[in-house]
Amino acid sequence: QLQLQESGPGLVKPSETLSLTCTVSGGSISRSEDFWGWIRQPPGKGLEWIGSIYYSGSTYYNPSLKSRVTLSLDTSRNHFSLKLTSVTAADTAVYYCARADSSGYPESDFQNWGQGTLVTVSS
Amino acid sequence: DIQMTQSPSSVSASVGDRVTITCRASQGISSWLAWYQQKPGKAPKLLIYAASSLQGEVPSRFSGSGSGTDFNLTISSLQPEDFATYYCQQANSLPLTFGGGTKVEIK
Repeated sequence: QLQLQESGPGLVKPSETLSLTCTVSGGSISRSEDFWGWIRQPPGKGLEWIGSIYYSGSTYYNPSLKSRVTLSLDTSRNHFSLKLTSVTAADTAVYYCARADSSGYPESDFQNWGQGTLVTVSS
Repeated sequence: DIQMTQSPSSVSASVGDRVTITCRASQGISSWLAWYQQKPGKAPKLLIYAASSLQGEVPSRFSGSGSGTDFNLTISSLQPEDFATYYCQQANSLPLTFGGGTKVEIK
């Protein structure tokens, strides 16, 4: 059974870089059918897609965050990562990693989700 | 970007009621629409993909319909475990976008 688990600091200072990792167990992140994504949810608000990455390393970002986001993956460790630079209080949110079984297309829904991790931006 | 608008934003209903939630896309997305259920403190769970296909072991009381710009999620007979927030998401084009959510509350 595929499981995803986010990890990283729960508190980040304004202007610094938010870094999270999603470790995948019960399956490989190298499957050609899958995209791996990050979605966030500010407290009490809706969902926002941040971006997705393919096993080949191809990345797709939300234009609203593109200038500050970098996704990467490490197939040897079976995990993928998110970096968000120059954070502000508006980046405070629960960050989810997720898998899209999409036959190799980034436009997809997400079948498997991590439990989410709250990241607070505050000095 | 494709804007997704859900209505209502909240609905009060009783166990056994039939509930319908609407999602409208700002432009046509064919059938590239998914529905998720989210309970407090939990990750969203995929219920329906491709507008009307039930995911995995999702109960058959959930159904989805629509194409183009207008979509519905229907719960035929609301159960206690169905009280949650529901989101639609378009999978037609990037950036992927979600509706604002519909909270189904106990009457």
